[in-house]
Amino acid sequence: GENVEQHPSTLSVQEGDSAVIKCTYSDSASNYFPWYKQELGKGPQLIIDIRSNVGEKKDQRIAVTLNKTAKHFSLHITETQPEDSAVYFCAPRGNNNDMRFGAGTRLTVKP
Amino acid sequence: SQTIHQWPATLVQPVGSPLSLECTVEGTSNPNLYWYRQAAGRGLQLLFYSVGIGQISSEVPQNLSASRPQDRQFILSSKKLLLSDSGFYLCAWSSGALKSYTFGSGTRLTVV
Repeated sequence: GENVEQHPSTLSVQEGDSAVIKCTYSDSASNYFPWYKQELGKGPQLIIDIRSNVGEKKDQRIAVTLNKTAKHFSLHITETQPEDSAVYFCAPRGNNNDMRFGAGTRLTVKP
Repeated sequence: SQTIHQWPATLVQPVGSPLSLECTVEGTSNPNLYWYRQAAGRGLQLLFYSVGIGQISSEVPQNLSASRPQDRQFILSSKKLLLSDSGFYLCAWSSGALKSYTFGSGTRLTVV
């Protein structure tokens, strides 16, 4: 099965700074790469995803970059705001029906 | 539009009591359905997933079971709860293998 690792496990940044979270995976058949944001007491929500035929995707302040050769993809958040504080999960996936999540990264944005 | 309902939101149960958590999806047909558990401050552990009525795949042998009696209904059960069953239980659905997940709002279970 897929082995997924996220780094760092915790990240603290000053408001306005950028944050980068990296996800590495083991299954070379993975071809779908989403990032989820989980706020306290809620279920995770998809914030951005990318497929294997694309190297980068951007949506306002968030972006995802993919390096299939090295088997990792990263979440980039620019101009961070306090409401970006949450736990972020990656969940790379291949042509199977289950999705395995990374252990999560707790991001704290200090005002 | 599709929606997912999960209930109850919180539950406190004594050790040894039974459990039934229900999840239903609206606005789609033949969804893939999932149950995850999340311990406090930890990641998401896949418990069960289902690709169709009566089809259940179990990821972790444990004190829990799942059933899918209808296309858009997924139930998580236990005959006798253990203290270690405490956690945040999340139901999710997906329309296919390369599609994102939509999660329910979760059930916080405390076994006392």
